[in-house]
Amino acid sequence: DTEVTQTPKHLVMGMTNKKSLKCEQHMGHRAMYWYKQKAKKPPELMFVYSYEKLSINESVPSRFSPECPNSSLLNLHLHALQPEDSALYLCASSQVSGEQSFGPGTRLTVL
Amino acid sequence: DAKTTQPPSMDCAEGRAANLPCNHSTISGNEYVYWYRQIHSQGPQYIIHGLKNNETNEMASLIITEDRKSSTLILPHATLRDTAVYYCIVRVSAQGAQKLVFGQGTRLTINP
Repeated sequence: DTEVTQTPKHLVMGMTNKKSLKCEQHMGHRAMYWYKQKAKKPPELMFVYSYEKLSINESVPSRFSPECPNSSLLNLHLHALQPEDSALYLCASSQVSGEQSFGPGTRLTVL
Repeated sequence: DAKTTQPPSMDCAEGRAANLPCNHSTISGNEYVYWYRQIHSQGPQYIIHGLKNNETNEMASLIITEDRKSSTLILPHATLRDTAVYYCIVRVSAQGAQKLVFGQGTRLTINP
């Protein structure tokens, strides 16, 4: 298995909802990443997990809560989001110092 | 973090070589240059990376200047399927992990 999968593909949520994004890889990668991408902009790093521990948090608001339950899974828990949080959320994985493989993304709309 | 500068858009004729430039004048000695492309809001796709030497793989070639302040991605025989946004990226080390610092990207259009 050489791909990163993300579910759901699309998500619409209200500002009071709680939802989660899921990312999975079975390539034995020990680093996993969350990025946020607004329309016509490059991806921006949010979080990095290395060996299931949070290594980097790019000053992301606490309404985004990452979780890495094991080396293959990465979740992003969402609560009390704002309309400006609407974006494409990308997950990636890599060996700790290798090239990153990206998933197809979850397109999130916050109403 | 080191940053990259790319032209916002370029055109190339199908079958010709596409040469995409990138400036990274503040890159540090141990920071790699990576190139990814993104087709119509899919996930970015890895193309190639390098540190000092020129690199070639089945997709592209990467030419890095001797002072490492700029590089060029070369797609040798562009096809319509190469139409995408191409990102020049510096990979930096931070807090025991690796970060990709994306440039603004070049929108490459391959014309028939």
